[in-house]
Amino acid sequence: DTEVTQTPKHLVMGMTNKKSLKCEQHMGHRAMYWYKQKAKKPPELMFVYSYEKLSINESVPSRFSPECPNSSLLNLHLHALQPEDSALYLCASSQDNDRSYGYTFGSGTRLTVV
Amino acid sequence: RKEVEQDPGPFNVPEGATVAFNCTYSNSASQSFFWYRQDCRKEPKLLMSVYSSGNEDGRFTAQLNRASQYISLLIRDSKLSDSATYLCVVIFSNDYKLSFGAGTTVTVRA
Repeated sequence: DTEVTQTPKHLVMGMTNKKSLKCEQHMGHRAMYWYKQKAKKPPELMFVYSYEKLSINESVPSRFSPECPNSSLLNLHLHALQPEDSALYLCASSQDNDRSYGYTFGSGTRLTVV
Repeated sequence: RKEVEQDPGPFNVPEGATVAFNCTYSNSASQSFFWYRQDCRKEPKLLMSVYSSGNEDGRFTAQLNRASQYISLLIRDSKLSDSATYLCVVIFSNDYKLSFGAGTTVTVRA
């Protein structure tokens, strides 16, 4: 299994809603990431988990809350989002001790906040 | 100055043509280098890693020039299916962050 699976693929939510994005990988990767990508821009790093511990938070607003329940799963909890948070949210994973093989991205969740 | 800079293009080339473009990086402690391909509304997919000795994968050739701090990608015999945005990605030493260039758009026309 060489895939990163993200659900849902599309999500429309209101500004008062609470929703969660899910990401799963079974490649034995111990580093997992959340990225945000706006149209015609490169992905921007949000969070890094290494061995299920949060190691990097790129000053992301608290309305985004990551969670890593185990080594295969990564969640992103969303609450009170703003329309400008609409974007493609990408999960990625990598071998923690050797990043020379690059990162594998999931197909993303396209989020629209209304 | 951005950490990773790319010529945004677009490069509009006919089928069968050769197209090449570069990416410069500012941090000399950069450790790993990659080219990713991203199709419209899809996720980035690893095209190839870039090694110091240069490497080739079919019609794609990647080069790394550490002295001048740039990497390059050359596509030979372009196919319509090569139309995409090509993202230059750099990992700095001891860092988890992927530093992305803004992407180079390539359009191959029939």
